[in-house]
Amino acid sequence: KQEVTQIPAALSVPEGENLVLNCSFTDSAIYNLQWFRQDPGKGLTSLLLIQSSQREQTSGRLNASLDKSSGRSTLYIAASQPGDSATYLCAATDNYGQNFVFGPGTRLSVLP
Amino acid sequence: NAGVTQTPKFQVLKTGQSMTLQCAQDMNHNSMYWYRQDPGMGLRLIYYSASEGTTDKGEVPNGYNVSRLNKREFSLRLESAAPSQTSVYFCASSGTLVLDQPQHFGDGTRLSIL
Repeated sequence: KQEVTQIPAALSVPEGENLVLNCSFTDSAIYNLQWFRQDPGKGLTSLLLIQSSQREQTSGRLNASLDKSSGRSTLYIAASQPGDSATYLCAATDNYGQNFVFGPGTRLSVLP
Repeated sequence: NAGVTQTPKFQVLKTGQSMTLQCAQDMNHNSMYWYRQDPGMGLRLIYYSASEGTTDKGEVPNGYNVSRLNKREFSLRLESAAPSQTSVYFCASSGTLVLDQPQHFGDGTRLSIL
C-alpha cells in the first residue's frame, strides 16, 4: 500500500529565502506525483504534476523533482514571498495509477 | 469560471441524522472524487467515479454512499451520521481517471456531527 510522508510538518522562513519541501513515498511504482497548495479554509490548487518518466517540472519560481528509485520528491521554491505562505501537499498515485495518496502536508510561513 | 462547486459550505448535524453533500463541476470532466481531510492525516479518498454511471470505493468508504447523477454532478450521502465523520469534505474532478491530468478541487464542506 502506498504511503506518503512529508517533512517538516511546518516551516518558517524569512522573505527572499530559497527553500525545499520534501515528500517521500513507499512504493516506487508510481504513475505520477502531484504537488498542491492549500490556503486556509480553501480547497487544493494543483501546482505541478510530474509523470513517472520525468525527473522534474518547473512553473515560475517552483521546481519539482522526482526520484522514483529513492522514493522522493522535492518542491523547490525560489525567492520566497509572503504570498507563498500556505500548506503544501504532495500526492503519489497508488499501485494501479487510479488514485492519489496524499501526504499530510507542510505548513509554510514566509515572514516579511 | 466556477470550476468545482460544493454545497453546503458548513453543516452541523446530530448523531444519526442523514444528509447529502452536493458537488458540481463545469469543466466537462469525466472523473470525480470525494475526499475527507482530517488534521494531520492528509486527504483520504472516500469514493470516486471514473465516468458517468460508474462509482467505486476508495480508501474509507464505510458509512457513505455516492451518486453520479450526471456528468456534472457527484453527491455524497451520510445515511446515519456519526461523530467520527466530523471532517472537511472535498470534491474534486479531473479530465480522465488516468492521472496525467491535474485534479481540480472545490472549497470544501465543513461538517460537524454532535
